[in-house]
Amino acid sequence: AQKVTQAQTEISVVEKEDVTLDCVYETRDTTYYLFWYKQPPSGELVFLIRRNSFDEQNEISGRYSWNFQKSTSSFNFTITASQVVDSAVYFCALEGGNNRLAFGKGNQVVVIP
Amino acid sequence: DTEVTQTPKHLVMGMTNKKSLKCEQHMGHRAMYWYKQKAKKPPELMFVYSYEKLSINESVPSRFSPECPNSSLLNLHLHALQPEDSALYLCASSPLGGPKGGGQPQHFGDGTRLSIL
Repeated sequence: AQKVTQAQTEISVVEKEDVTLDCVYETRDTTYYLFWYKQPPSGELVFLIRRNSFDEQNEISGRYSWNFQKSTSSFNFTITASQVVDSAVYFCALEGGNNRLAFGKGNQVVVIP
Repeated sequence: DTEVTQTPKHLVMGMTNKKSLKCEQHMGHRAMYWYKQKAKKPPELMFVYSYEKLSINESVPSRFSPECPNSSLLNLHLHALQPEDSALYLCASSPLGGPKGGGQPQHFGDGTRLSIL
């Protein structure tokens, strides 16, 4: 069975501060995929990044960066210099051999202007 | 704008009504999904279609009936719903990838906000 834990429920930051979202996962599969999605109030889930279990390279995309560490089963997400438009719910998700996405409970990020 | 289009955006229906939710994508994806999402919860998978055939049904009650008429369209037919079925219904699509078909990012629509009176 796959399990994803996002411990922080709601995180409030002042604009321009950095915010890091923690994601810890559990799986017995040797091949699996990790994802982050953003869900703004409009409802659509927006795909942000995918990592497979064999690729531990960290990634930076603009103000977003991801730190994947297999040793600690974590796939953390950092937003640098947060903006009001970053206010959303962020979901970490895992897909293993059952071809189903297991979502974490999500992190509600509130960026205060 | 999302590449997965869902209609209607909002739907209010009584428990005896029959209605349908529609989803369309033109990205050539051969996997399509229905999810149900309650407030402040993650999406829950309901159905998966692969190559227009139902491949996963997560023990969804029969009052929800999916249909995939072609590779671009996905419907969810609703009948005799209960108040607890009120939720955001999300459609998604993805390419089919790898020997087991997994690992591809799913592209989501804006969803249909369904309220059952």
